[in-house]
Amino acid sequence: SQTIHQWPATLVQPVGSPLSLECTVEGTSNPNLYWYRQAAGRGLQLLFYSVGIGQISSEVPQNLSASRPQDRQFILSSKKLLLSDSGFYLCAWSTQGLQFFGPGTRLTVL
Amino acid sequence: GNSVTQMEGPVTLSEEAFLTINCTYTATGYPSLFWYVQYPGEGLQLLLKATKADDKGSNKGFEATYRKETTSFHLEKGSVQVSDSAVYFCALIGGGSTLGRLYFGRGTQLTVWP
Repeated sequence: SQTIHQWPATLVQPVGSPLSLECTVEGTSNPNLYWYRQAAGRGLQLLFYSVGIGQISSEVPQNLSASRPQDRQFILSSKKLLLSDSGFYLCAWSTQGLQFFGPGTRLTVL
Repeated sequence: GNSVTQMEGPVTLSEEAFLTINCTYTATGYPSLFWYVQYPGEGLQLLLKATKADDKGSNKGFEATYRKETTSFHLEKGSVQVSDSAVYFCALIGGGSTLGRLYFGRGTQLTVWP
């Protein structure tokens, strides 16, 4: 069966520090992968999606970036975090019209 | 374009009460419709889905019917439990989408009291 992992589960970072969040999927090949952010009291915002290795599409201009170095690995990064980057980050993968989510990473920027 | 509008929360109910969370959509083509649930501190779980008009998705006592004429997909449950307390998201994938990108509503917080 397919599983999706995210780490770390929680992260507290100072403003201006770098960020790296990792997402890996098991049990499937060539999945579509997605990064979402859920800010406090708000809905889900699609940040990036990828249909293959090295293929990244950005939905919202910001100081975040994404990379897909391997088929089942999706990384969310930032060189310098802002306070507004705080939120709950969710990775997801899709197959046959269904999307499955990871457990999320809670990021607090202080 | 594609968008989802769902009722503003929070919704607070007593145990065994009837639940309705309204969801309407705008979409190109014939979308697939979904309800996701997010329990505190967790990621999203697919609750139910419907892929064509008049389909009824159901799971764990929850139901939603795909109404093309009213572009709606309202979530209902006849008797809620404390364990149903969570945030509920209505979502769609646009018709003909090869990417499978989901468009979400803003979520509705449900709290059920014993």
